Amino acid sequence: DQQVKQNSPSLSVQEGRISILNCDYTNSMFDYFLWYKKYPAEGPTFLISISSIKDKNEDGRFTVFLNKSAKHLSLHIVPSQPGDSAVYFCAASAGYGQNFVFGPGTRLSVLP
Amino acid sequence: NAGVMQNPRHLVRRRGQEARLRCSPMKGHSHVYWYRQLPEEGLKFMVYLQKENIIDESGMPKERFSAEFPKEGPSILRIQQVVRGDSAAYFCASSPEQVLNEQYFGPGTRLTVT
Repeated sequence: DQQVKQNSPSLSVQEGRISILNCDYTNSMFDYFLWYKKYPAEGPTFLISISSIKDKNEDGRFTVFLNKSAKHLSLHIVPSQPGDSAVYFCAASAGYGQNFVFGPGTRLSVLP
Repeated sequence: NAGVMQNPRHLVRRRGQEARLRCSPMKGHSHVYWYRQLPEEGLKFMVYLQKENIIDESGMPKERFSAEFPKEGPSILRIQQVVRGDSAAYFCASSPEQVLNEQYFGPGTRLTVT
């Protein structure tokens, strides 16, 4: 039973446009969410996080939106750049210090 | 400040052999997490350790798998009598005592069982 879902395995976006990556979760106990970016042959690198007390967190070109009632979060990248091409993982935890549950990832391709 | 180190990066084992994967956390980090990524899947939590203690091993198979994080030295994930289904990328992450929600990942060890 997948508690964190990323229903789009892949996404292609033109350079300069907005990339929107979606993530849905089923466990209502999740209260902290992160996005990681992963390049081939490398470990995931932390991108941005959001706790359940907020509905938006912004860091430069990256913004994460959280809709608790829908159990849905999304990552917006604008403007998208070719260097953003990677696999993006959504992860959730049910409390401070608890382990994270990862989604299967979405492969983003930003086309020049 | 060096990041999380994992070695070897690639490991090939024949069925029935043992695999030992090592993880050196970032300096000052006393919490280590192991994840496994099967092909075309996301990362699956395996085990969470603090120095000399296993905090949560709910994601680790009950047989053949063990993990330790001794007082001195790296964390070790040990897989005995490997089978083809153990072929995967194994990632280690570490976090500081004060901010357990920040996990920094190593580059991973790709285990191939032939």
